[in-house]
Amino acid sequence: IAGITQAPTSQILAAGRRMTLRCTQDMRHNAMYWYRQDLGLGLRLIHYSNTAGTTGKGEVPDGYSVSRANTDDFPLTLASAVPSQTSVYFCASSEKGINEQFFGPGTRLTVL
Amino acid sequence: GQNIDQPTEMTATEGAIVQINCTYQTSGFNGLFWYQQHAGEAPTFLSYNVLDGLEEKGRFSSFLSRSKGYSYLLLKELQMKDSASYLCAVKDSNYQLIWGAGTKLIIKP
Repeated sequence: IAGITQAPTSQILAAGRRMTLRCTQDMRHNAMYWYRQDLGLGLRLIHYSNTAGTTGKGEVPDGYSVSRANTDDFPLTLASAVPSQTSVYFCASSEKGINEQFFGPGTRLTVL
Repeated sequence: GQNIDQPTEMTATEGAIVQINCTYQTSGFNGLFWYQQHAGEAPTFLSYNVLDGLEEKGRFSSFLSRSKGYSYLLLKELQMKDSASYLCAVKDSNYQLIWGAGTKLIIKP
């Protein structure tokens, strides 16, 4: 049982490039989330999806887009990366009505 | 605005007890969470409080006072493996989690 997987584990990216971070869960959870974590700051919600086919904006959505074509996958795309998007990105999921969120291992992204 | 405050860093001794405080001001309240995060790893769930009082789970306990906007996480019989960051998060009126910056707990032998 994998839980939540994320790819890549880490990436160095040139500014202006397009990048997609992948997230897959095998727990059949309805809700999925993308967070970024920066030193000295709490986790900040980028986008979320309460169920397949729907998405919503979180606290810091600018420069990011998501899609939820099915229950298992929730990719995060940076259309044109900027250095301020250097961060650790965590994908998480939760079952509807259940409070606990399960986190993937994270992707460490550096934009130069 | 929404705000979650917790100490940046705490130090404690192996075998001792430590209390990590969290105060919050959020638009609505639908529960408070504590997560543990070891360096370089993902956060993992520790506890959930939605009613006032103490929830005990083994060596870890979590307390909530909604009227005071206050919670604490109590860790007993500290072990070296408890060295980690402890994250406080509140579920707001939109049912989204608002996260504190975390408290880094250092355990000394």
